[in-house]
Amino acid sequence: NAGVTQTPKFRVLKTGQSMTLLCAQDMNHEYMYWYRQDPGMGLRLIHYSVGEGTTAKGEVPDGYNVSRLKKQNFLLGLESAAPSQTSVYFCASSFTGTQPQHFGDGTRLSIL
Amino acid sequence: GQQLNQSPQSMFIQEGEDVSMNCTSSSIFNTWLWYKQDPGEGPVLLIALYKAGELTSNGRLTAQFGITRKDSFLNISASIPSDVGIYFCAGHKAAGNKLTFGGGTRVLVKP
Repeated sequence: NAGVTQTPKFRVLKTGQSMTLLCAQDMNHEYMYWYRQDPGMGLRLIHYSVGEGTTAKGEVPDGYNVSRLKKQNFLLGLESAAPSQTSVYFCASSFTGTQPQHFGDGTRLSIL
Repeated sequence: GQQLNQSPQSMFIQEGEDVSMNCTSSSIFNTWLWYKQDPGEGPVLLIALYKAGELTSNGRLTAQFGITRKDSFLNISASIPSDVGIYFCAGHKAAGNKLTFGGGTRVLVKP
């Protein structure tokens, strides 16, 4: 039982490059989330989705886009990476908006 | 910014000790969750609390949902080396889709 799987686990980008982070869950959860984790800041919500085909902005959405074309996948895109986006990115999912969220192991992204 | 204040920010434990940490807010929360994060991994759910006053245990862990609905605490009894890590509290306000996280309590082993 894989739970929430994130790919890639590590990536180094140059400023201005683009990339997509993939999150896949096999728990048939409706809700999916993307967070970033920075030292001393805890987890901050970037975007989330309440179901296939839906997306919504979180606390820190600027510079990111997301898509939820399939229920099991939630993609996070960086169109033009900036050093301020160096962080650890976590995906999570839950059955409903008030049920506990289950997290992936994170993607460590460095932007030079 | 963060709306959940966790304390302490860090603590040292000695094997066998009981430890306690708490989470407070000026806002009312409908659920409280406690997660543990090990290095290089994502947060793992430890305990979920859904009612004011609720006291729930998971092995050596016990957590309580404060009566005012503005705080929660987590206790670890008879700590062991694998208890080291970062513990996060999180909560849902009202019937929202968003989870608010505290800044974490880092648990370390006494040298």
